[in-house]
Amino acid sequence: AQKITQTQPGMFVQEKEAVTLDCTYDTSDQSYGLFWYKQPSSGEMIFLIYQGSYDEQNATEGRYSLNFQKARKSANLVISASQLGDSAMYFCAMREGPGGTSYGKLTFGQGTILTVHP
Amino acid sequence: NAGVTQTPKFQVLKTGQSMTLQCAQDMNHNSMYWYRQDPGMGLRLIYYSASEGTTDKGEVPNGYNVSRLNKREFSLRLESAAPSQTSVYFCASSVRANEKLFFGSGTQLSVL
Repeated sequence: AQKITQTQPGMFVQEKEAVTLDCTYDTSDQSYGLFWYKQPSSGEMIFLIYQGSYDEQNATEGRYSLNFQKARKSANLVISASQLGDSAMYFCAMREGPGGTSYGKLTFGQGTILTVHP
Repeated sequence: NAGVTQTPKFQVLKTGQSMTLQCAQDMNHNSMYWYRQDPGMGLRLIYYSASEGTTDKGEVPNGYNVSRLNKREFSLRLESAAPSQTSVYFCASSVRANEKLFFGSGTQLSVL
């Protein structure tokens, strides 16, 4: 079974609008971590945001926020005030188990291509 | 401010040839990883090294070997390349195992 599911192969958004990229995950662990990475057309992988399963507040990093709904096992990325430079592939990833151990490796979803229109 | 450095950036091999992808990090990270990225498949873990002196298989280890040469360097070897190994390869590192990963810029490998 897929551990990370990103159901949107592609998304379009108008510049300056907000967009939500979906991510659902599957784990039976109580301790886990969720990550979002951005991959521009140049190919590098850029870390955006992290949410731990025990974090009570939704993570935020500048224009990025993570809408964490634990009961629904979803960890959607919200980008506010989209910019042309946000056009990229976005990957959701999950680590099962606590960080700092070799138990849980990061598993990545298939990605969502975001295109920001002027 | 190098971070994670991978070499080479591009490589073309013939089926059956061998090669080693090199990776070095200058952030004093304990853990290092090799992923491959195929279209529509996301990133899949090939091998990782939680700490110097240890290596372990990931999701897709067949056809690959790794060496954690020291704390800085983690190499990936293809002993007999196959067309199915055509992919983009990423090396990554983290302070501790399976926390925030820092990625190299990737190696585009084509096996003909």
